[in-house]
Amino acid sequence: NAGVTQTPKFRVLKTGQSMTLLCAQDMNHEYMYWYRQDPGMGLRLIHYSVGEGTTAKGEVPDGYNVSRLKKQNFLLGLESAAPSQTSVYFCASSYWGAAGETQYFGPGTRLLVL
Amino acid sequence: AQKITQTQPGMFVQEKEAVTLDCTYDTSDQSYGLFWYKQPSSGEMIFLIYQGSYDEQNATEGRYSLNFQKARKSANLVISASQLGDSAMYFCAMREGRVRSQGNLIFGKGTKLSVKP
Repeated sequence: NAGVTQTPKFRVLKTGQSMTLLCAQDMNHEYMYWYRQDPGMGLRLIHYSVGEGTTAKGEVPDGYNVSRLKKQNFLLGLESAAPSQTSVYFCASSYWGAAGETQYFGPGTRLLVL
Repeated sequence: AQKITQTQPGMFVQEKEAVTLDCTYDTSDQSYGLFWYKQPSSGEMIFLIYQGSYDEQNATEGRYSLNFQKARKSANLVISASQLGDSAMYFCAMREGRVRSQGNLIFGKGTKLSVKP
C-alpha cells in the first residue's frame, strides 16, 4: 500500500513550457485534490475531484487544468508555465468514515519556473 | 477579515509536557469542518485530526485532541506528552458548507512548535 504518490518530485521549467504532474493513490478514495503551498503559507486548493470523470475548481485554478480519467489518478497540467507558478504542489486523497474525513497527502512536487 | 487565525507564530514546549496550539475561525455557516495538519521541516504535509461542526464530542486521535468550543469559534489542538518529533509547523484549516462537501479548505498561517529536550 503506497498511499499517495506524486511524480516528479522536483522540476525546473522555463516560462512558457508545459508539464503534467501525476498523482496516484491506491486506497480507492473517491476524493482527490491538488494544492499549492507558497513560502510561509498554508495550502491553497487548485482543483479537486469527487470521483472518476469529475473535476471542479478550487480557490486558485487559473493557469492549471486537471483530469481524472481513472479513479486512482489525478493529473495536474500547466499549459504555459509562469514564474508565479513556482511553488510546492501537494496532492491529497480522502475518505469519509465514522470519525469524519481522513486525508492522505503525497510527498509534494517542487516546481521552479524560470 | 481572516477566516482562520492562529495567533502564535512560534511556541516552545518541554519534552513530555502538553501543549495547546490556538486556532479561531470565522464563519456564518452552521455546517463546517475543522482540520489540523503537521508539516515537519522535511516538507511533507500530515493530516492530524478532523472535527465536524455538528460533532458534540471533541475529536481525539492518539496524543492529539481538538478542543472544540463552538460558541467561541475556537478549535485548539492539544498535544499531550510532547515528543521531539512533534517539532514542526502546525496548520489549522476550515471547510465551510454541508457535511461531505468538498469545498475550499481555508488555512491559517501556522504555528511553529519547537519541543525542547
